[in-house]
Amino acid sequence: EIVLTQSPGTLSLSPGERATLSCRASQSVSSSYLAWYQQKPGQAPRLLIYGASSRATGIPDRFSGSGSGTDFTLTISRLEPEDFAVYYCQQYGSSTGTFGQGTKVEIK
Amino acid sequence: EVQLVESGGGLVKPGGSLRLSCAASGFTFSSYSMNWVRQAPGKGLEWVSSISSSSSYIYYADSVKGRFTISRDNAKNSLYLQMNSLRAEDTAVYYCARDAQYPRLFDYWGQGTLVTVSS
Repeated sequence: EIVLTQSPGTLSLSPGERATLSCRASQSVSSSYLAWYQQKPGQAPRLLIYGASSRATGIPDRFSGSGSGTDFTLTISRLEPEDFAVYYCQQYGSSTGTFGQGTKVEIK
Repeated sequence: EVQLVESGGGLVKPGGSLRLSCAASGFTFSSYSMNWVRQAPGKGLEWVSSISSSSSYIYYADSVKGRFTISRDNAKNSLYLQMNSLRAEDTAVYYCARDAQYPRLFDYWGQGTLVTVSS
C-alpha cells in the first residue's frame, strides 16, 4: 500500500501570498494518479486537482498541481480568504484510495 | 445537479450495529461506482469501501473488512453501509462519494452523517 506524507502540517500565510504544499509517496504513483482535495470546517472535501496537474471543473486557475513519481506539489498562487482550509492529497486508480494526513493552511 | 444525501447516523454502543444510507440524484446512479469515506473527529480522511455500478466488484479497507457490508439498489438510486460489531474507533463522519472517471477519484461528496460509538 502506498503511504502519502504531506508537509508541512500547518502553513501560516497571509492573503495574497503564495502557498506551496508537498505530498510525497512511499512508492511511485502510477500514471500520476494523484489528486488534491480542499476541506473547509464542517464541509465535505472538494476535488481540486486530478492527474497531478488537471484542475477539476470550476476550480480557479490560482490552484495548480505538479509533480510525478513520488513527489507532488499543490501551489496556490495568491491566497484568497476562502482558500484557508485543509488540503489532502490522494492516490487513486486502484481498488483502494489512500489519503495523506493533510496540510492546514491558516491565516497568519 | 448532483446530490448525495446520507442518513442513518447516530449514537450506538460498542458491539452494536447501524445501517447508513445515501440517496443519490441528478445523475445516472446505475452508471457509477460509489464509495464510503470516513473522517474521525479532528482527523484525516479514510476510504472505507467501494462498490461497482452493478455490484460486481466490492472492496473494503482492512480496518472494516468482515464487519461492514456495502450494497446498493440502483432502482432506488441508493447506496448503503451495514456496520456491525462497531468499535469506538469507528466513530466518524461517514461520507458517500461518487467515483469520477477513474477508480477512487471522488468528484462528488455528500454532506456526511455522524456515527458515534460509545457506551
